[in-house]
Amino acid sequence: ELKVEQNPLFLSMQEGKNYTIYCNYSTTSDRLYWYRQDPGKSLESLFVLLSNGAVKQEGRLMASLDTKARLSTLHITAAVHDLSATYFCAANSGGGADGLTFGKGTHLIIQP
Amino acid sequence: DAGVIQSPRHEVTEMGQEVTLRCKPISGHNSLFWYRQTMMRGLELLIYFNNNVPIDDSGMPEDRFSAKMPNASFSTLKIQPSEPRDSAVYFCASTTSGFGVQYFGPGTRLTVL
Repeated sequence: ELKVEQNPLFLSMQEGKNYTIYCNYSTTSDRLYWYRQDPGKSLESLFVLLSNGAVKQEGRLMASLDTKARLSTLHITAAVHDLSATYFCAANSGGGADGLTFGKGTHLIIQP
Repeated sequence: DAGVIQSPRHEVTEMGQEVTLRCKPISGHNSLFWYRQTMMRGLELLIYFNNNVPIDDSGMPEDRFSAKMPNASFSTLKIQPSEPRDSAVYFCASTTSGFGVQYFGPGTRLTVL
């Protein structure tokens, strides 16, 4: 059974600082996803990582994947208040369109 | 594109009543997923369909839950009878096979009193 663990689950940081969220998964997965959720809202796709060594960047967010270590990271550079949200990583164990197993989410608060 | 459409957005009902949640996937997407989100259990996959056929319903918590997809543009999730522990936000998501990015609808917030 695929398990996905994120840490930390809660993160309070100041604007301008850098930080990393970690996502470990327990069995082989052919792709890794990062989503963002604002309070009371739906999930918004941020990144899909498809292969070992994949790195994707969008603005102040950068995601990477190490399939050998079964680890993905979401790095935040020079955080700004607008990035405050809950971030989820998710993986699927099958190929193609398969259901996702989500981590518990990282609740990120960025303070001025 | 309108995105994934869910209705109703909010539902308040009493224990024992039947509840039906509805989902319209993005046009052209052939895979549809139902998820449930609670504070205690997080995001859980309930069931998913490929080409209107249920593939994996192992996440459906009990026989009180059932889901159908009669055509490519419509799916329902039914709870009968409903119980207070079913209170949650229910999300529908869709995707095309192969690429895998799942696009989520706005969700239905269900409260069972």
